[in-house]
Amino acid sequence: DSGVTQTPKHLITATGQRVTLRCSPRSGDLSVYWYQQSLDQGLQFLIQYYNGEERAKGNILERFSAQQFPDLHSELNLSSLELGDSALYFCASSVAGGDTGELFFGEGSRLTVL
Amino acid sequence: GESVGLHLPTLSVQEGDNSIINCAYSNSASDYFIWYKQESGKGPQFIIDIRSNMDKRQGQRVTVLLNKTVKHLSLQIAATQPGDSAVYFCAERSQGAGGTSYGKLTFGQGTILTVHP
Repeated sequence: DSGVTQTPKHLITATGQRVTLRCSPRSGDLSVYWYQQSLDQGLQFLIQYYNGEERAKGNILERFSAQQFPDLHSELNLSSLELGDSALYFCASSVAGGDTGELFFGEGSRLTVL
Repeated sequence: GESVGLHLPTLSVQEGDNSIINCAYSNSASDYFIWYKQESGKGPQFIIDIRSNMDKRQGQRVTVLLNKTVKHLSLQIAATQPGDSAVYFCAERSQGAGGTSYGKLTFGQGTILTVHP
């Protein structure tokens, strides 16, 4: 158990809909990362938050947005969903201000868009 | 059109053998590299990391080798066990626009390791 909690574990929805994925980082970790894992693209970095502020951005679509709340949990919002958005979405956390790529990943939220 | 899934390299070994998983990275400016292991149904799990000012680093049963000249990274697992069966990813720290966060990683496609008892 990594200590990172993601909900829901599975989600099935239709094209055009909007969903919210939730992540609780490990106790004490200030950084939260979102990654997308799909069959054709592999693991791709989406975005990082550190103590409520956006720290780094990857190939995150404009239809997607994220935030980190004062209690450090994070949410990833996916809107106007398309078939190609079907993927595993991972949240990870790391120690505050760490100079390491040792991220602790949750078990992921599997999104299926029909 | 229909998406084509990634065809991951595979490595099959016998229990007790040593395993070597290779990775070619693309960015010559990358200064930090990591290996992750992903078991079925789970998130990636950190194994070992190495900075570009080193060419070798050892952990418990694992060794990472870095050859910057040819942009090659390898993970050696000693006395491989069935519990080592997983997909192994190398990753490099992404630099450039967006900052130099150590958590902003570019992952390779992965290698499937299967260990036979």
